Amino acid sequence: NAGVTQTPKFRILKIGQSMTLQCAQDMNHNYMYWYRQDPGMGLKLIYYSVGAGITDKGEVPNGYNVSRSTTEDFPLRLELAAPSQTSVYFCASSTGGGSLQEQYFGPGTRLTVT
Amino acid sequence: GQQLNQSPQSMFIQEGEDVSMNCTSSSIFNTWLWYKQDPGEGPVLLIALYKAGELTSNGRLTAQFGITRKDSFLNISASIPSDVGIYFCAGRPVGSNYKLTFGKGTLLTVNP
Repeated sequence: NAGVTQTPKFRILKIGQSMTLQCAQDMNHNYMYWYRQDPGMGLKLIYYSVGAGITDKGEVPNGYNVSRSTTEDFPLRLELAAPSQTSVYFCASSTGGGSLQEQYFGPGTRLTVT
Repeated sequence: GQQLNQSPQSMFIQEGEDVSMNCTSSSIFNTWLWYKQDPGEGPVLLIALYKAGELTSNGRLTAQFGITRKDSFLNISASIPSDVGIYFCAGRPVGSNYKLTFGKGTLLTVNP
């Protein structure tokens, strides 16, 4: 049981390039989330999904896009990378019911845009 | 948006000492969660609290959901070097079904 996996671990992008951060979970969780973490700050929600085919914006969605074609996968797309998107990105998932709020995190992707 | 005030920002303690940190909010939360993050890793869930006044332990860790529903605290007893890391509180505000608000974290350093 791998839990939440993310690839790549590290990436350097040039301004204006695009990339997709991959996230997968094998816990059959319906809910998935993308966060960014900047130094000294808490986690900020970018996008979330409550199930395959359903996504919605979080606090800081500008410059990002997501899709959710399967329960397992929730990729995050950066179309035109900007230096402000330099951050560590975490994917998380949670189940429904009474444990709805217990989110489980992946190991993160450290992205630098120069 | 909702804000969580987490304190202290950092702590330097000796191995064996007890540690206490807390989170407060100006509004009511329905759930409190405590996470630990090691360097280069993702946050790992330590304790989840769902009812006001609830006191829950996980080994040497104990967390409580404040009676007012606006605060929570985490205690670590008899600290050891592997307790080093950043501890985050997170809460689910009233009216939010699944979105969490995170504190900025407490950096804990334990001197052997």
